[in-house]
Amino acid sequence: SQTIHQWPATLVQPVGSPLSLECTVEGTSNPNLYWYRQAAGRGLQLLFYSVGIGQISSEVPQNLSASRPQDRQFILSSKKLLLSDSGFYLCAWSVPSDTGELFFGEGSRLTVL
Amino acid sequence: EDKVVQSPLSLVVHEGDTVTLNCSYEVTNFRSLLWYKQEKKAPTFLFMLTSSGIEKKSGRLSSILDKKELFSILNITATQTGDSAVYLCTTAPIREQGGKLIFGQGTELSVKP
Repeated sequence: SQTIHQWPATLVQPVGSPLSLECTVEGTSNPNLYWYRQAAGRGLQLLFYSVGIGQISSEVPQNLSASRPQDRQFILSSKKLLLSDSGFYLCAWSVPSDTGELFFGEGSRLTVL
Repeated sequence: EDKVVQSPLSLVVHEGDTVTLNCSYEVTNFRSLLWYKQEKKAPTFLFMLTSSGIEKKSGRLSSILDKKELFSILNITATQTGDSAVYLCTTAPIREQGGKLIFGQGTELSVKP
């Protein structure tokens, strides 16, 4: 069966510090991978998605970047965090040939002070 | 620009009430519409709808899609406190579009005892 792991679960970082959130998927190959941000427990904003190794699409201009160094690994990064980067970050995957169902990680709550 | 709009944004009901949550969409290359329930962390999958007029049902929850009028509803009958959550609606594009899912703002449902 497929599983998705996302870490860390909680992170408190000072403004200007770097960020790295990691997500790995097991039990499937060549998944579509996504990073979403959720503010105030509401709708999800798509940040990045990837259909293959090294292929990253950015949806909104921002202080963040994403990388996919391996087929089932997706990393969200920042060189210098801003206060506005605080939020709940969700990694997700889907089967490219399927009807679009997303499978989510448990999320990472980032607080920038 | 693709968009998904949910209404109401929040709703407070009492146990036993029936609720209807709405989701309208304007997206290109539509493939399917999905509903998720989010209680604390990772959203969990409820329904996927691809055809108009066919009701999907799971216990007290049901959902239907209207592809002509571009909306879907999620019904919950005999609500329970455990139904309290944020309900998310999202659309998935045809697979050639890279699987980019667009989420609505969510409806926060609170069921009081």
